[in-house]
Amino acid sequence: RKEVEQDPGPFNVPEGATVAFNCTYSNSASQSFFWYRQDCRKEPKLLMSVYSSGNEDGRFTAQLNRASQYISLLIRDSKLSDSATYLCVVNANTDKLIFGTGTRLQVFP
Amino acid sequence: GAVVSQHPSWVICKSGTSVKIECRSLDFQATTMFWYRQFPKQSLMLMATSNEGSKATYEQGVEKDKFLINHASLTLSTLTVTSAHPEDSSFYICSASRQGWTEAFFGQGTRLTVV
Repeated sequence: RKEVEQDPGPFNVPEGATVAFNCTYSNSASQSFFWYRQDCRKEPKLLMSVYSSGNEDGRFTAQLNRASQYISLLIRDSKLSDSATYLCVVNANTDKLIFGTGTRLQVFP
Repeated sequence: GAVVSQHPSWVICKSGTSVKIECRSLDFQATTMFWYRQFPKQSLMLMATSNEGSKATYEQGVEKDKFLINHASLTLSTLTVTSAHPEDSSFYICSASRQGWTEAFFGQGTRLTVV
């Protein structure tokens, strides 16, 4: 089983739609969780950290379920500029970040 | 956020030659640097972790004699791909962090093409 698993997509959604991505992780000792965004041929950039209580940043909401070992990202009112690959990232308190394969999102007009 | 600079951003080299990629933390001292490789449409795969002043720790399946990593200072790590072959063509990305930080900051990546 992979340490971090994501549905690769692609998710093709119209502008204004709401889309959700899930990610599961295998190491129950994982401490920190993140969503990164990666545009084609670019380096990943931190989108948001994921906290146990859930957190929101504008149109983006991240949630963590430790019991089921999954995290989610919800994007409301999708924009064309949201088209990218979204990477689920887990840190098992070893300073190493473990990346999921990424979920590709394509927002169309 | 902290700034990490990676150089070069792209390089084309002949098969059999060596290529050096630099990763610098510009505004902080990085106690740990990570090197990743990403093939098209695949995830970032961690190659090795380097701590300043000590030998790098390589992930399983990564040849340490082929991918030489040097982390001689708190602001610079280098990855040298020795005797490069076409199958080494990939996107190489470094990230840097500091002890106690949970977030790592990425360089811009280096696209290596071996012909």
